[in-house]
Amino acid sequence: DQQVKQNSPSLSVQEGRISILNCDYTNSMFDYFLWYKKYPAEGPTFLISISSIKDKNEDGRFTVFLNKSAKHLSLHIVPSQPGDSAVYFCAVLSGTYKYIFGTGTRLKVLA
Amino acid sequence: EPEVTQTPSHQVTQMGQEVILRCVPISNHLYFYWYRQILGQKVEFLVSFYNNEISEKSEIFDDQFSVERPDGSNFTLKIRSTKLEDSAMYFCASSGRGQGSYGYTFGSGTRLTVV
Repeated sequence: DQQVKQNSPSLSVQEGRISILNCDYTNSMFDYFLWYKKYPAEGPTFLISISSIKDKNEDGRFTVFLNKSAKHLSLHIVPSQPGDSAVYFCAVLSGTYKYIFGTGTRLKVLA
Repeated sequence: EPEVTQTPSHQVTQMGQEVILRCVPISNHLYFYWYRQILGQKVEFLVSFYNNEISEKSEIFDDQFSVERPDGSNFTLKIRSTKLEDSAMYFCASSGRGQGSYGYTFGSGTRLTVV
């Protein structure tokens, strides 16, 4: 099941710079796209979402971009902080309740 | 901030034994979910639950799995006869609204190890 792919398993960024995390999906019928952050020994934490009728949604340092024609989703974090170091999962809403998660990208923000 | 609480944090069980994973969702939430993550793999949907019945389940959620809301606060996942491949982190989640577009609140997970 490769409906949602995060091709970069890890990413390192200097503190204060921009982090860009990418996600690709296969089904053009998906309506909602979300990003979750996960620290070790904790559950995923909801960060930000975007519906298919938008191409950008911003919340503080976090911005999600949606390119429907390319079936591509990205999360921008600027400026990046050491506390942002975590695994980031993109997820698509399949139906009413079910998420399909990507495999995650481990972000390390270097002080 | 309200939390979803899961117990135990780690459970070791013999293959073939029954195990019950427990969750206390956020008190005013009405929608409940179980997800799991096998080590090194994706977080996968198992089941959603609303109004005392399953609203959606995945192909993973076979007859060995069941969910229950035995009282007003707990939400449990039972695996009847555990297999080695059931070893995973199991995450409970809840939401106040049925639409997943608003995001769920996940618990910290129970690590299940089947030996």
